[in-house]
Amino acid sequence: TQLLEQSPQFLSIQEGENLTVYCNSSSVFSSLQWYRQEPGEGPVLLVTVVTGGEVKKLKRLTFQFGDARKDSSLHITAAQPGDTGLYLCAGGWRTNAGKSTFGDGTTLTVKP
Amino acid sequence: NAGVTQTPKFRVLKTGQSMTLLCAQDMNHEYMYWYRQDPGMGLRLIHYSVGEGTTAKGEVPDGYNVSRLKKQNFLLGLESAAPSQTSVYFCASSLASYGTDTQYFGPGTRLTVL
Repeated sequence: TQLLEQSPQFLSIQEGENLTVYCNSSSVFSSLQWYRQEPGEGPVLLVTVVTGGEVKKLKRLTFQFGDARKDSSLHITAAQPGDTGLYLCAGGWRTNAGKSTFGDGTTLTVKP
Repeated sequence: NAGVTQTPKFRVLKTGQSMTLLCAQDMNHEYMYWYRQDPGMGLRLIHYSVGEGTTAKGEVPDGYNVSRLKKQNFLLGLESAAPSQTSVYFCASSLASYGTDTQYFGPGTRLTVL
């Protein structure tokens, strides 16, 4: 059973468009992380959100943690080809140190 | 700092063969993890370690063994490889973990079992 569902699975857009990807669960998490992975490399952390309703901005990327700490979204404004990659969300629990669970990812392609 | 390194980068095995994947980190991190990544399935945790000399099972531990004899190294073993173990294997480490710490990933090992 997949605890974290990401949608959409694939997204192909033109440079300059906006997009939102989602990470949903029926479980409550202590924190939610977003990673970006480029082909042939390991994932790299973009952000960690820990408070329900929290919004974090990282240049053109906006991350939101749901009020109930069960879901999160990533919004990219004016996407660029350099944003192309696999976006993974990962949920963690304070009472389960050492373990977190990853979603299946959203593969984003931004065409010039 | 090299961060997290993995050896080897690529490997082809025949069914039934054994091998060991080596992960090393130079960040003095307590926690280390082994994941596998299959197309369309994200990352699945195989085993992890919360400190030197300790290991624990993750989501998909069957067919794998691990050891953490030194704090900086985490080894993943396949005793009798099967085609279902064809995957990309990632090692990661974190300073500590309450589900909020950053995991630093290695570049991956691409394993094919024929």
